Amino acid sequence: KNEVEQSPQNLTAQEGEFITINCSYSVGISALHWLQQHPGGGIVSLFMLSSGKKKHGRLIATINIQEKHSSLHITASHPRDSAVYICAAPGGGADGLTFGKGTHLIIQP
Amino acid sequence: GAVVSQHPSRVICKSGTSVKIECRSLDFQATTMFWYRQFPKQSLMLMATSNEGSKATYEQGVEKDKFLINHASLTLSTLTVTSAHPEDSSFYICSARGNLRGYNSPLHFGNGTRLTVT
Repeated sequence: KNEVEQSPQNLTAQEGEFITINCSYSVGISALHWLQQHPGGGIVSLFMLSSGKKKHGRLIATINIQEKHSSLHITASHPRDSAVYICAAPGGGADGLTFGKGTHLIIQP
Repeated sequence: GAVVSQHPSRVICKSGTSVKIECRSLDFQATTMFWYRQFPKQSLMLMATSNEGSKATYEQGVEKDKFLINHASLTLSTLTVTSAHPEDSSFYICSARGNLRGYNSPLHFGNGTRLTVT
């Protein structure tokens, strides 16, 4: 089973700051998912990446397959970015995904 | 983009009653849907994999007679919590893969159902 670790668990920052959330996993994978869970509970899939870097608006996700590490960056953070960010990697359960515990991000105005 | 609709978003029921939660893929066919449970400040835990036209596959420790799953069509899976107890109070969320199979297929999540059993 893949072990997925995220850091930090909690992060509070000021509006405009550059945010980095890290995810490491123990078993080599074909693709990693970054998810965003809003305070109400709904989950949105942000990225699915297998190599290099992907960018969507102010969000950037990178992955280093050799290091078994991925990062999610938020540029020019805004209070509406406040959410729980979860990474998920194959290697657990019938659907093959193991979820990290999430990073609870709060962006203060 | 692909959308998964989950209903209801919140439900309060009395102990001993049953509650049905629906998960629909609105603009794609989902031969496989997944049901998760999430406790406060915990990660998503897979309960079962719902396969269209066949029996669901349950994770170890999940009672199949308590959490009934039906996947009668390519766009609808239901989870019924039978004889609910207060310890069943939790956040339940479903997901479905896009049209591609395998781990590299995008995931689409419902908005979840917060169940409170009194």
